[in-house]
Amino acid sequence: KQEVTQIPAALSVPEGENLVLNCSFTDSAIYNLQWFRQDPGKGLTSLLLIQSSQREQTSGRLNASLDKSSGRSTLYIAASQPGDSATYLCAVKGYSSASKIIFGSGTRLSIRP
Amino acid sequence: DAGVTQSPTHLIKTRGQQVTLRCSPKSGHDTVSWYQQALGQGPQFIFQYYEEEERQRGNFPDRFSGHQFPNYSSELNVNALLLGDSALYLCASSLGQVQETQYFGPGTRLLVL
Repeated sequence: KQEVTQIPAALSVPEGENLVLNCSFTDSAIYNLQWFRQDPGKGLTSLLLIQSSQREQTSGRLNASLDKSSGRSTLYIAASQPGDSATYLCAVKGYSSASKIIFGSGTRLSIRP
Repeated sequence: DAGVTQSPTHLIKTRGQQVTLRCSPKSGHDTVSWYQQALGQGPQFIFQYYEEEERQRGNFPDRFSGHQFPNYSSELNVNALLLGDSALYLCASSLGQVQETQYFGPGTRLLVL
């Protein structure tokens, strides 16, 4: 059974710092991994999707890496801004067409001005 | 191009009542998935509808049921509401069952008293 863990549950850093969010999963047989952003009380916004054959994806100040063998993914945020404050969730999907998307509990990020 | 829309935005019910939540997928999408997100947790998969049939189901009791209409919109019904059903209910749409990229709606906040 796939389990997805995100540590830490909360993180507070000063503006301008580079930071890394972590995601680990127990079953390395994944089809893809996706990082989402969620603002308080809102829906999810997809940030980056990494296919199982890829090692990383980049979008602006965001870079996501995937290491299937170790069951880990990281989301790197460069030059953090107060507007980056949100909860960041990772989700994995297995290969089977019947595989469900499994989410982690998220990391709540706060960027201090 | 309208994204995923959900109604209502907020809902208050009492224990034992029944509730219906609605979702309209992003234009061009034919698959709708429903998730329950408790406070401080990641979304949990309830079920997926494709071609007007339930295709996948998570670990939720039969009190949770759904429907997909010919225009691809979907409803989530919950009977005999329990206090523990209080959560944010998210709808996500995608093209096809593979769920390459899911687009999420803003959610419906359900409070059961």
